[in-house]
Amino acid sequence: SQTIHQWPATLVQPVGSPLSLECTVEGTSNPNLYWYRQAAGRGLQLLFYSVGIGQISSEVPQNLSASRPQDRQFILSSKKLLLSDSGFYLCAWIEAAGNTIYFGEGSWLTVV
Amino acid sequence: GIQVEQSPPDLILQEGANSTLRCNFSDSVNNLQWFHQNPWGQLINLFYIPSGTKQNGRLSATTVATERYSLLYISSSQTTDSGVYFCAVGRASYDKVIFGPGTSLSVIP
Repeated sequence: SQTIHQWPATLVQPVGSPLSLECTVEGTSNPNLYWYRQAAGRGLQLLFYSVGIGQISSEVPQNLSASRPQDRQFILSSKKLLLSDSGFYLCAWIEAAGNTIYFGEGSWLTVV
Repeated sequence: GIQVEQSPPDLILQEGANSTLRCNFSDSVNNLQWFHQNPWGQLINLFYIPSGTKQNGRLSATTVATERYSLLYISSSQTTDSGVYFCAVGRASYDKVIFGPGTSLSVIP
């Protein structure tokens, strides 16, 4: 069966420090991969999505970047975090020719 | 891009009551899903329903694609139904998925 792993689950980072959140999917090939952020309140904002290795679409100008070095690996990064980067980050995937989107457990980021 | 609206933004129910949540979207979609986010942040897929009607226990959903809205029905609500309900849409089944702002539901005993 397919599973999605996201880590770290929680982190506290100082302003100006780098960030790396990693997401991997198991049990499928060529999935669509997504990064969402949920800030204070409840909306899920789409940050990046990828339809294949090295293919990244950015939805909103951010202090963030994404990379897909392997088929089932999606990484969210920042060179210098801002206070406004705090939030709950969710990785998600849809299998090739599939419909339903599945979410990872999420990563709580607090920038101090 | 597609705009997604949900109503009401907040809802408080007495346990056992029924409710209807609405999702409006601004363009034709081929992918529509309903999610429940529990108090711990976990997102659970409830329905994949780009059109038609589906039922799963006390929950059911209806999407009228031609009129660009979807409804989620919760019957005989329980305290475990509390959380935020999201509608998410996409133009193609294999495309970006945009979320609505959510409906925050609190079911009180």
